[in-house]
Amino acid sequence: GQQLNQSPQSMFIQEGEDVSMNCTSSSIFNTWLWYKQEPGEGPVLLIALYKAGELTSNGRLTAQFGITRKDSFLNISASIPSDVGIYFCACWWETSGSRLTFGEGTQLTVNP
Amino acid sequence: GAGVSQSPRYKVAKRGQDVALRCDPISGHVSLFWYQQALGQGPEFLTYFQNEAQLDKSGLPSDRFFAERPEGSVSTLKIQRTQQEDSAVYLCASSYKTGLNTEAFFGQGTRLTVV
Repeated sequence: GQQLNQSPQSMFIQEGEDVSMNCTSSSIFNTWLWYKQEPGEGPVLLIALYKAGELTSNGRLTAQFGITRKDSFLNISASIPSDVGIYFCACWWETSGSRLTFGEGTQLTVNP
Repeated sequence: GAGVSQSPRYKVAKRGQDVALRCDPISGHVSLFWYQQALGQGPEFLTYFQNEAQLDKSGLPSDRFFAERPEGSVSTLKIQRTQQEDSAVYLCASSYKTGLNTEAFFGQGTRLTVV
């Protein structure tokens, strides 16, 4: 299936630091979604991006849809312990129109 | 309800047993998806419904896996003759509309352990 390359795989940071993670693909997508998943829970939608170049914020989170439509990044500013979790990027696979494809995830650990 | 609801949250099955996992999507959502998530991995697509029609089942790993959504709301994922490799979290998601430019909302998942 379609691959989304997400990096870094894991991050260990101190509380208060800023975080940046990104996803790239060899294919063009119309939508980028960013999810957060905590242990024992399902993914929770954080930000949805629909337009190339779009920059969207949700509190301390900011995400951008790359101009080429092949990449996206998610920034978290002033991290806090409750930011801990796995962050996934996801795209609708254009060829089928019915399949949300996920990146491998970024495991974030925040040390108080 | 306000969100996607899945039951049971946890299921332990003996190898060879049949299991049924239930998903209640957000009311009014047309699209419903099932995903399988192995430990440490991202969710992998299993199947997709638009209302009661199963439009894509290409992700189902074998013919032991069967999904239905007979009235276009609640969906059931059934796994027959469970095997140890079926152990995973099964996630259900729904979205308000069809097409590519939409948002999908996930339930908490059912953790299946086959012993």
